[in-house]
Amino acid sequence: DGGITQSPKYLFRKEGQNVTLSCEQNLNHDAMYWYRQDPGQGLRLIYYSQIVNDFQKGDIAEGYSVSREKKESFPLTVTSAQKNPTAFYLCASSMIGNSYEQYFGPGTRLTVT
Amino acid sequence: DAKTTQPNSMESNEEEPVHLPCNHSTISGTDYIHWYRQLPSQGPEYVIHGLTSNVNNRMASLAIAEDRKSSTLILHRATLRDAAVYYCIRLTNSGNTPLVFGKGTRLSVIA
Repeated sequence: DGGITQSPKYLFRKEGQNVTLSCEQNLNHDAMYWYRQDPGQGLRLIYYSQIVNDFQKGDIAEGYSVSREKKESFPLTVTSAQKNPTAFYLCASSMIGNSYEQYFGPGTRLTVT
Repeated sequence: DAKTTQPNSMESNEEEPVHLPCNHSTISGTDYIHWYRQLPSQGPEYVIHGLTSNVNNRMASLAIAEDRKSSTLILHRATLRDAAVYYCIRLTNSGNTPLVFGKGTRLSVIA
């Protein structure tokens, strides 16, 4: 059963703590992405990776970090430096090229108080 | 910069066709047009994409204008399950494939 999994679905943290969101795919996709969505808004790109051990910043990378040690996994760490971390976080993957669709995970809703 | 323009919202009656417009007047010759939709509290779902010719799949049809400056997503018979935010995205052929999302069109379907 192929797809993208994100865990957990809901996550609660205290301000000042780092938190890592999991994203795994078994679609053999080269590219993986992290997006953030705030209420009533579209998705904004945080980081993306097209190959293992390499990744690029998106539009809103400040306060976030990623790693890509395996093709299947692309975890996102929300650091204490992120000023407004409460949001819906979505992971996606795709083949590389503009004619391929992206597949999205179910998302993780992070609440920081 | 999403580089596409869509109406904020549209409404349709159930079982009727829906035409969702998108303007992408600065599109270049190798840019693809992708459509995704997002149901409440879920990740976006791929709907359809095309380059020049009209495209059909089991979910929808995509009509691309001859000058490629606009396109229309067509849902042939709207159902309540089609109520979602629909995003029209222009994807450049730069080798980097992140999607740039605008605010999309919120489609309401009335029973």
